Amino acid sequence: DVKVTQSSRYLVKRTGEKVFLECVQDMDHENMFWYRQDPGLGLRLIYFSYDVKMKEKGDIPEGYSVSREKKERFSLILESASTNQTSMYLCASTPRGGGVFGYTFGSGTRLTVV
Amino acid sequence: AQSVTQLDSHVSVSEGTPVLLRCNYSSSYSPSLFWYVQHPNKGLQLLLKYTSAATLVKGINGFEAEFKKSETSFHLTKPSAHMSDAAEYFCVVSLSGGYQKVTFGTGTKLQVIP
Repeated sequence: DVKVTQSSRYLVKRTGEKVFLECVQDMDHENMFWYRQDPGLGLRLIYFSYDVKMKEKGDIPEGYSVSREKKERFSLILESASTNQTSMYLCASTPRGGGVFGYTFGSGTRLTVV
Repeated sequence: AQSVTQLDSHVSVSEGTPVLLRCNYSSSYSPSLFWYVQHPNKGLQLLLKYTSAATLVKGINGFEAEFKKSETSFHLTKPSAHMSDAAEYFCVVSLSGGYQKVTFGTGTKLQVIP
């Protein structure tokens, strides 16, 4: 019954490291999203993708990049991790026209940058 | 433009008593509205959704919500709280068909007292 899988539940990385967060969905969804969740700020959209090799910036893309080489996989990359990127990261997907269907979320990756 | 306001950051109820989590929205167009639940250290799970059909929407685990256009509200209710309902709840507004036009509320933490 697994739908959206994030490869790591907890990660600890050092400042300046390049960090990869992986997300895979098995529902053949066109749209995929990366959010970060912080107390008091709710969920904020980092990047999304509506097709293979397509990407769009969300509200807070600075310091992040993404990759979508295959339909089922959407990777978030922290080019040079900083302590202010310590957060919970959530991946989600929807089918085309997804505003009507709602998101399916992964379980999240809690990243700590030290 | 669209926005969503969850009127209470914390709600505390006794087990067996009714639950009311309040949500108001604004949207220039006919919105889709959702409630999600997040248990500690987990991803978000879709509880229910409104997409311009019946205004009273039933979801999982005995929750329901009523869309009231005149009040621009989409409050979440449950007749009798269970201990397992303790979690954080998010109200979300989306433009129908617009995958990128999704706005999350800041969340309401529900505490259930034995």
